[in-house]
Amino acid sequence: QSVLTQPPSVSAAPGQKVTISCSGSSSNIGNNYVSWYQQLPGTAPKLLIYDNYKRPSGIPDRFSGSKSATSATLDITGLQTGDEADYYCGTWDTRLSVVVFGGGTKLTVL
Amino acid sequence: EVQLLESGGGLVQPGGSLRLSCAASGFTFSNYAMSWVRQAPGKGLEWVSSITDSGDSTFDSDSGKGRFTISRDNSKNTLYLHMTSLRAEDTAVYFCAKTTVGATEYFDYWGQGTLVTVSS
Repeated sequence: QSVLTQPPSVSAAPGQKVTISCSGSSSNIGNNYVSWYQQLPGTAPKLLIYDNYKRPSGIPDRFSGSKSATSATLDITGLQTGDEADYYCGTWDTRLSVVVFGGGTKLTVL
Repeated sequence: EVQLLESGGGLVQPGGSLRLSCAASGFTFSNYAMSWVRQAPGKGLEWVSSITDSGDSTFDSDSGKGRFTISRDNSKNTLYLHMTSLRAEDTAVYFCAKTTVGATEYFDYWGQGTLVTVSS
């Protein structure tokens, strides 16, 4: 059981928007920055979002992140078939003194 | 271009030991913290351990504490993970990751991973 809770799967049609949630507590998301990672099938994870909403260079603005209280959200607009991947949220947990990840969300672009 | 290349994975018997390496290039290795993150087959990501840029401080998850030791050689631009008393549940792909720490913590570059299989 992961410390951060994500939906196991989400789906949407090409061109549509999808939202992936990440729920935690005051000891992790509530008081620390959140990052998001994309893992395409058979590849290593890739940083999508850091510090709640910032995008590394090269990440399209179709990907956006936000945080409110003890939850974070990753929005992906203009869905493409190439976006099919697993998405993970992550942050530091102050109480446990560890980095924690969500269980991952599998995105299917129908 | 940042490159991280892990090596050292393989098949090991329960109770055995293994040392993973991660050769870094494309950035000033000694200026950045580094981490190991693993992923069991068909499962999610699990943070294993992190080390500061100088190597003076390390941080470990409970799953590896007392069995895994992270270290680095800044003269060789290489990160290590020495694993002992290996168990079946340690079977996973182990990724090394360049790590940004401070008020925040995130993994901005990842290697392709090396597979560790613990089985008799």
